[in-house]
Amino acid sequence: EIVLTQSPGTLSLSPGERATLSCRASQTINSNYLAWYQHKPGQAPRLLIYGASTRATGIPDRFSGSGSGTDFTLTISRLEPEDFALYYCQHFDSSPYNFGQGTKLEI
Amino acid sequence: QVQLVQSGAEVKKPGASVKISCRASGFTLSTYYIHWVRQAPGQGLEWMGIISPSGSSTTYAQNFQGRVAMTRDTSTSAVYLELNILRSDDTAVYYCARPLIEYSGSFPDLWGQGTLVTVSS
Repeated sequence: EIVLTQSPGTLSLSPGERATLSCRASQTINSNYLAWYQHKPGQAPRLLIYGASTRATGIPDRFSGSGSGTDFTLTISRLEPEDFALYYCQHFDSSPYNFGQGTKLEI
Repeated sequence: QVQLVQSGAEVKKPGASVKISCRASGFTLSTYYIHWVRQAPGQGLEWMGIISPSGSSTTYAQNFQGRVAMTRDTSTSAVYLELNILRSDDTAVYYCARPLIEYSGSFPDLWGQGTLVTVSS
């Protein structure tokens, strides 16, 4: 099974700064099958990026995804107060469709 | 309004079973795969499995093999998650989720509101 490892575990930044979140896979993933989610307490997860780099409907363009093979990145160009949350990557290359353990983005 | 609506919170004793429903509103559930995902307190998201549009095919995560069943009822446009032999570490919020595209298992973008299951003696 493919294991996803996210880093850092916690990222402490300020509004206006740039955030770079990493997701590393234990084996090569077809980049068409990598997604990023934002998750806030008491809410359902929100799909941000799919296919490694395509923004989901309604997602601001300050969110971008990149990467291929085993290394993927979510970048938030200029942090807004509402961006402070948990972020997860997930693959759909082959079952089980594991999530990474998450990165907490905090002020 | 397009949404997934899940059944309400449950409190169960260890060893019992729970069955959670997930109903579609504003779209046809029968053309979509449905994922189930859970989040235990203080933990990350955990993928549990997926059921095909017809309900004839299911794939479960190894952690739940033998204890979980995902089913569909086309007459009620609902999908169900049943988890048996509950343990205290099954206490979690359980989500159903629908992928972006019909007949594709990838990229859930529509999620239910979550169902809290508490397992306690």
